[in-house]
Amino acid sequence: LAKTTQPISMDSYEGQEVNITCSHNNIATNDYITWYQQFPSQGPRFIIQGYKTKVTNEVASLFIPADRKSSTLSLPRVSLSDTAVYYCLVGSGNTPLVFGKGTRLSVIA
Amino acid sequence: KAGVTQTPRYLIKTRGQQVTLSCSPISGHRSVSWYQQTPGQGLQFLFEYFSETQRNKGNFPGRFSGRQFSNSRSEMNVSTLELGDSALYLCASRLRDSTTYEQYFGPGTRLTVT
Repeated sequence: LAKTTQPISMDSYEGQEVNITCSHNNIATNDYITWYQQFPSQGPRFIIQGYKTKVTNEVASLFIPADRKSSTLSLPRVSLSDTAVYYCLVGSGNTPLVFGKGTRLSVIA
Repeated sequence: KAGVTQTPRYLIKTRGQQVTLSCSPISGHRSVSWYQQTPGQGLQFLFEYFSETQRNKGNFPGRFSGRQFSNSRSEMNVSTLELGDSALYLCASRLRDSTTYEQYFGPGTRLTVT
């Protein structure tokens, strides 16, 4: 299973764009990159998934360079309710989801 | 479409007892995974079941076991409870095909061992 490395914590002001970068140097050819969000005492919630280039949905964008050794989750104009832990995972559909420590994002008013 | 449900939501047990937790996946999802979350260790993968067979297993002692029924519902059992088993136990379901890694989590069962 590819390991991921992401910052332990980040702070941001409301209304700013937040970019969280994840490193996954050993990503396999058939691995996808997935991001989850977790609020205290709740299960993680799927945010976005991508294989290469850029993926965008109503919540976030995911940027993946050509070598796929890293990825960046972009949250546009964050609000206080975006304060959460964000997890980056890599793997294929047949492997278990293994979570790291994640990035604790704190949004400040 | 109903989400993943877990019962019970809260549980208090005494050391040495055993406990069984239940999880009902989203309709049509045949894969169910279980996780343990504690403040110190974070989210740790316990095991995954697919079509009633355990497909993957995390690094937990044999006191932790599970099973999946033909309707994809799953149960997790912890025997001889220890204080360190106090945690939030999360269940998640997914379609489990080769192109998606999207998994849906339930609200969890908060287990307290005294």
